[in-house]
Amino acid sequence: QITLKESGPTLVKPSQTLTLTCTFSGFSLTTDGMGVGWIRQPPGKALEWLALLYWDDDERYTPFLKSRLTITKETSKNQVVLTMTNLDPVDTATYYCAHAQATSGYGYFDYWGQGALVTVSS
Amino acid sequence: DIQMTQSPSSLSASVGDRVTVTCRASQSISRYLSWYQQIPGKPPKLLIYETSTLQSGVPPRFVGSGSGTDFTLTISSLQPEDFATYYCQHTYITPLTFGGGTKVELK
Repeated sequence: QITLKESGPTLVKPSQTLTLTCTFSGFSLTTDGMGVGWIRQPPGKALEWLALLYWDDDERYTPFLKSRLTITKETSKNQVVLTMTNLDPVDTATYYCAHAQATSGYGYFDYWGQGALVTVSS
Repeated sequence: DIQMTQSPSSLSASVGDRVTVTCRASQSISRYLSWYQQIPGKPPKLLIYETSTLQSGVPPRFVGSGSGTDFTLTISSLQPEDFATYYCQHTYITPLTFGGGTKVELK
């Protein structure tokens, strides 16, 4: 059974750095075709893909935010960490981590965490 | 980047109706298209991947079709639990992108 859970701060000040942790179970990130991705959703708006870390350590980012994002893993802890720098109020959103199936294509998301609402405000 | 355009952005329907949602890609994505359902306050749920493959546990009233740039999600007989927002996503290449969503509301 695959589960994922996001953790991190709920309130961040503008210009600060956000660090979100995805703790997962039920799969290994070293298995061919697996990945963990981050997707966000501003209140009342659509889903936006941010980043994905693949089983082979390939990292992919949305070009729009690439300069501000870093995705890393802590294999021993079954965690994937997303760091976003220089936050702005427009970054206020629910941030989801999700298990990616990338055996065909670059990844669809078959298991999702419950999401973490992050508010950017002074 | 590949843009995904969904239509309509919202629709009103009744229980038992046949509902169709359309997703158009800005370039060919072969059959690398997934559909998700999201109920307010919940994470998205994968319904269909690779255009037409039903995710385990998803009822067969959800049907996906298409190829290239034009795709559809059809709900053959709308049930009360189907009132939600539906998103398409391409998996052809990165950056991955989602459509803007289609909200299915009760008429």
